[in-house]
Amino acid sequence: GESVGLHLPTLSVQEGDNSIINCAYSNSASDYFIWYKQESGKGPQFIIDIRSNMDKRQGQRVTVLLNKTVKHLSLQIAATQPGDSAVYFCAENLEYGNKLVFGAGTILRVKS
Amino acid sequence: KAGVTQTPRYLIKTRGQQVTLSCSPISGHRSVSWYQQTPGQGLQFLFEYFSETQRNKGNFPGRFSGRQFSNSRSEMNVSTLELGDSALYLCASSSFGLLSGSTDTQYFGPGTRLTVL
Repeated sequence: GESVGLHLPTLSVQEGDNSIINCAYSNSASDYFIWYKQESGKGPQFIIDIRSNMDKRQGQRVTVLLNKTVKHLSLQIAATQPGDSAVYFCAENLEYGNKLVFGAGTILRVKS
Repeated sequence: KAGVTQTPRYLIKTRGQQVTLSCSPISGHRSVSWYQQTPGQGLQFLFEYFSETQRNKGNFPGRFSGRQFSNSRSEMNVSTLELGDSALYLCASSSFGLLSGSTDTQYFGPGTRLTVL
């Protein structure tokens, strides 16, 4: 039969506000985490990554926080802009080499 | 540096046919991974190739296969297509993790949109 589509959570923010997107990961042994942004019709675009020996990493307007105790990852976007509107995915790497497991994604809508 | 390129960008096939998709990684990258993206299942890992060898494999049937050439370019093949194979197929490349257990950032191409009728 027809598969049920993933119901992605949506975060709506006003332009200029800060955005926080959350993600729970599955494996306490994962050592590498990445946030990707995907716009309609495009492949995922790398935003920022963090290794398990860190709690926080900052980039340009973005910050990733890692809480290993509760297996939680968050992406903070400062001064959100209309161009930030997209689907955001967190991903964890489970094994040696490259084998990413993706979260379901969060839709970010920025209102002007 | 040019990004990851995938060809073709769009493809329409009928059930029972087979299809081959191509991926050219970023220059210097030796690892190529393939992912399937559907509205129902999200992004799922298919397999990873490094130095012409399959290094990791996801939970997909044997109809899905791949290979990597000496220039790091990769192809994936799907035989006996089913309606459920309609998806966006994404290729990602990365450089080799120099430390055991480490990995490097994967950069994605634009994908190949496969429609099976």
